[in-house]
Amino acid sequence: NAGVMQNPRHLVRRRGQEARLRCSPMKGHSHVYWYRQLPEEGLKFMVYLQKENIIDESGMPKERFSAEFPKEGPSILRIQQVVRGDSAAYFCASSPGLQNTGELFFGEGSRLTVL
Amino acid sequence: QKEVEQDPGPLSVPEGAIVSLNCTYSNSAFQYFMWYRQYSRKGPELLMYTYSSGNKEDGRFTAQVDKSSKYISLFIRDSQPSDSATYLCAMSAGSGNTGKLIFGQGTTLQVKP
Repeated sequence: NAGVMQNPRHLVRRRGQEARLRCSPMKGHSHVYWYRQLPEEGLKFMVYLQKENIIDESGMPKERFSAEFPKEGPSILRIQQVVRGDSAAYFCASSPGLQNTGELFFGEGSRLTVL
Repeated sequence: QKEVEQDPGPLSVPEGAIVSLNCTYSNSAFQYFMWYRQYSRKGPELLMYTYSSGNKEDGRFTAQVDKSSKYISLFIRDSQPSDSATYLCAMSAGSGNTGKLIFGQGTTLQVKP
């Protein structure tokens, strides 16, 4: 009965490198959400995806950030040319999508540190 | 002004105390209200879920929603040291992208034995 699986749990990158964060939703869940938690701040919505579709990316920074959820495999959050301000915990959440009422199940998070 | 306001605390109480955690919000479109518990270095865990106004009880936890005042509360009875965590309120409008939750900053709770 695996929950939402995220990897890596910790990632260290130097400025200018790329970061790739992966998320496998709970079994039976077809909706994936990415949230970011900056130090001393609450969780902020980034993007909502279904298989092969980006549904809402209103919380994504305009540049350097992208997300996908392919037909096969995990969802990927990609950050190009990372900067120190990208250091944060990135959480993936999933929902079954049958009655999408906002009940989300979160993973343990991926903690990105940019040196 | 933030859409959701939550006092970050920290809140320290003795074991067995009744804890009251609160959030206020400004968007009258919010219909779904949640409380998440987050232990240090872990992901948020859904604790309570409420639709519209009213009360919901689950064991030692009671969630209250007052939409007229735009105010939600979480009460923890007979608090335990294991309740020590950060409690996040969250809400959504219930239309369109209902998984787009707006979170409060979180209140850090410490229950002392």
